[in-house]
Amino acid sequence: DAKTTQPPSMDCAEGRAANLPCNHSTISGNEYVYWYRQIHSQGPQYIIHGLKNNETNEMASLIITEDRKSSTLILPHATLRDTAVYYCILSYNTDKLIFGTGTRLQVFP
Amino acid sequence: GAGVSQSPSNKVTEKGKDVELRCDPISGHTALYWYRQRLGQGLEFLIYFQGNSAPDKSGLPSDRFSAERTGESVSTLTIQRTQQEDSAVYLCASSLVFGTGGSGNEQYFGPGTRLTVT
Repeated sequence: DAKTTQPPSMDCAEGRAANLPCNHSTISGNEYVYWYRQIHSQGPQYIIHGLKNNETNEMASLIITEDRKSSTLILPHATLRDTAVYYCILSYNTDKLIFGTGTRLQVFP
Repeated sequence: GAGVSQSPSNKVTEKGKDVELRCDPISGHTALYWYRQRLGQGLEFLIYFQGNSAPDKSGLPSDRFSAERTGESVSTLTIQRTQQEDSAVYLCASSLVFGTGGSGNEQYFGPGTRLTVT
């Protein structure tokens, strides 16, 4: 079973920041937080991951709370192409990813 | 650069037939994974290969499913005596490094093979 909890759906206006929360209260000390997204009819796409420090790349930022029990994925300027299902996944060795139900983000004009 | 490729992109087969699905990982990636996604459902892990170690087959749903990987290259997922419940998108992913959880462990997915069993 997935060890993370995400809201089932969110809306965001185009051009605004999309903040997607994830709860992982039972995270182990050596588990990383990974974010993937799946645009309709495509394979999942890696976005970003982190252990305990905040991370930023060209796609997004990841904010992890100090106690590591929750995190937030931030898409700074959402576009229509960011409409997708976003998955927050805990993994250590990434031998396999356990996908939950994710958050369906709808970006509207 | 080239990503993960899968073939065929679509496959329609009759119940009871065998099918082979192919995955070409990103060159140099040591780990390879197979997942299945039924219509409207989440991804289910099937099997993964890492280097020369024995594959983790814990996600294979029945003994009709098997997979092979030649070295650190192409992998084939075989489904024997297909059933209608096997209809799904079969996704392959690869990652550069297996273990430690740090950079290089992110998985890159192919476009999938849509299997329809009639």
